[in-house]
Amino acid sequence: AQSVTQLDSQVPVFEEAPVELRCNYSSSVSVYLFWYVQYPNQGLQLLLKYLSGSTLVKGINGFEAEFNKSQTSFHLRKPSVHISDTAEYFCAVSHKAAGNKLTFGGGTRVLVKP
Amino acid sequence: GAVVSQHPSRVICKSGTSVKIECRSLDFQATTMFWYRQFPKQSLMLMATSNEGSKATYEQGVEKDKFLINHASLTLSTLTVTSAHPEDSSFYICSASPTANYGYTFGSGTRLTVV
Repeated sequence: AQSVTQLDSQVPVFEEAPVELRCNYSSSVSVYLFWYVQYPNQGLQLLLKYLSGSTLVKGINGFEAEFNKSQTSFHLRKPSVHISDTAEYFCAVSHKAAGNKLTFGGGTRVLVKP
Repeated sequence: GAVVSQHPSRVICKSGTSVKIECRSLDFQATTMFWYRQFPKQSLMLMATSNEGSKATYEQGVEKDKFLINHASLTLSTLTVTSAHPEDSSFYICSASPTANYGYTFGSGTRLTVV
């Protein structure tokens, strides 16, 4: 079975400051890793994904994430946040053996303050 | 590419009635679609996997008779909440992907309120 833990339920951050959202997963097989963002009353939008290859993945809106196999982590970072980055962020994993179903972490709410 | 459309975005229904939610893949074919439920300030909970041309696969604890799923074509899956009750009020979201490693695209969600 696979599971995802997002260590921080809420992260307050000032505008133009950097932010890091932590994600750890557990799985006995190789997985695909994803980060999604959800704005209020909307669906999820894919920020970035790790399938294989380079461990540093760049996504949309200036976000990037680094896959660390030894630490089973996939932390999301942005060097300078905007007010518009206020949203809920979800880390997710999937793999073939589980029918490619996504397993989500509990989410991290980012609140950007002016 | 890989656009998923979900309708309606909001619906209010009376207790005891049924509500149908549609999920369409607009620019790709999806043999598999997923239905999630999300409670306020919580993560997404997978309800079922919708399989084109065959029965849906439900997650443990999800009542298949209450949440009817029909995946009649490669671009359309529907979720019908039957005999809805206030506790069924929630945010329902569908997702699909052209391929397993593409990254799932999500619909915009449906806010169901049962009164």
